[in-house]
Amino acid sequence: SYVLTQPPSVSVAPGKTARITCGGNNIGSKSVHWYQQKPGQAPVLVIYYDSDRPSGIPERFSGFNSENTATLTISRVEAGDEADYYCQVWHSSSDHLFGGGTKLTVL
Amino acid sequence: QVQLVESGGGVVQSGRSLRLSCAASAFTFSIYGMHWVRQAPGKGLEWVAVIWYDGSNKYYADSVKGRFTISRDNSKSTLYLQMNSLRAEDTAVYYCASSSGRSITSPLGYWGQGTLVTVSS
Repeated sequence: SYVLTQPPSVSVAPGKTARITCGGNNIGSKSVHWYQQKPGQAPVLVIYYDSDRPSGIPERFSGFNSENTATLTISRVEAGDEADYYCQVWHSSSDHLFGGGTKLTVL
Repeated sequence: QVQLVESGGGVVQSGRSLRLSCAASAFTFSIYGMHWVRQAPGKGLEWVAVIWYDGSNKYYADSVKGRFTISRDNSKSTLYLQMNSLRAEDTAVYYCASSSGRSITSPLGYWGQGTLVTVSS
């Protein structure tokens, strides 16, 4: 079965750039979506179809997908960006997979 | 403002059944696929099931196949999840979420706040 691999944690200082990766075999051929989840809250879509931003999501959030890695980039990180981030792909009808999640800590 | 409100969670004994509901409002429920996604305490997100906009197709994660049934009533803008033969490992917050497009690859654009299911042994 298909597996999505995310680093368990990423730490970044305020104002710097955070990069969260999502690895998968030939993931570049799939559409990747990214969700942000803050403690006690439901997930929120922040990037869809690799690099599109829903309305209301700051331009600081961007995405890229190529070959075996998709990347969520958060520029000029703020304290409010601290959350868990999950990548997600559709692999087959019975496989709408989520990555294991990455906890972003703002130092 | 799109709203998805789950209900039906609670504490249930292992082997018993439970039915979750998700009431949708402020969007055209009948034209979008709907999903159930769960999250065990302290763990990541796990996709559970999807149903096509018209109920014509349903797909399940291997972990729940044969035990859970997803359904919908478009006249009531409501999604359901019938959970049978519950196990301790089914303990989780269950979220309903809507596809944001008509494609199978569409992202999950709207999410409910979740309902907690606790399976006790």
